[in-house]
Amino acid sequence: QKEVEQNSGPLSVPEGAIASLNCTYSDRGSQSFFWYRQYSGKSPELIMSIYSNGDKEDGRFTAQLNKASQYVSLLIRDSQPSDSATYLCAVNSGGSNYKLTFGKGTLLTVNP
Amino acid sequence: DADVTQTPRNRITKTGKRIMLECSQTKGHDRMYWYRQDPGLGLRLIYYSFDVKDINKGEISDGYSVSRQAQAKFSLSLESAIPNQTALYFCATSVSDTGELFFGEGSRLTVL
Repeated sequence: QKEVEQNSGPLSVPEGAIASLNCTYSDRGSQSFFWYRQYSGKSPELIMSIYSNGDKEDGRFTAQLNKASQYVSLLIRDSQPSDSATYLCAVNSGGSNYKLTFGKGTLLTVNP
Repeated sequence: DADVTQTPRNRITKTGKRIMLECSQTKGHDRMYWYRQDPGLGLRLIYYSFDVKDINKGEISDGYSVSRQAQAKFSLSLESAIPNQTALYFCATSVSDTGELFFGEGSRLTVL
């Protein structure tokens, strides 16, 4: 059973702070990793993808991947109340078949 | 209009009834998926299809069936609904080379 683990939260940070979201996965052969954001009552939407070890930055978002430790994280700098949502980590263990396994999600609340 | 459309958006039914959830997409993607989302359990894959002639079971396919009527249409059926199938169901599409999933708005199903 391929597993993706996330802290369920809630994670609460003040506006302007850095929010750090973490994810571990069990399948060492996993090749690509995704972060989805889901607002309450809405569908998930992709915010970051990462395929190789290291950091990938996109605006206020940075994804970090460490395949040796089977760990992927998402940092949100200068957090805004509009970032309040559930963040889902997804791992592709299916190669080109892209069959994603999702974590249960971490609820982030950014307080004004 | 949404690129991935699910109908119905909300449905209440009784135990033992047959239910069909429909999904249509205008994104031109070959790959389509059905997920269910339960509080505390995250998103779990029910079935997926990479083209009209290709149907694959996901991790929780028991009690469900699907039909890929056309490239743009993918339906999920519950032949005899039971209360533990009460959940939020998402249809999603993807292109073959990125793994990014595009989700519909969700269908909330309640089985009494």
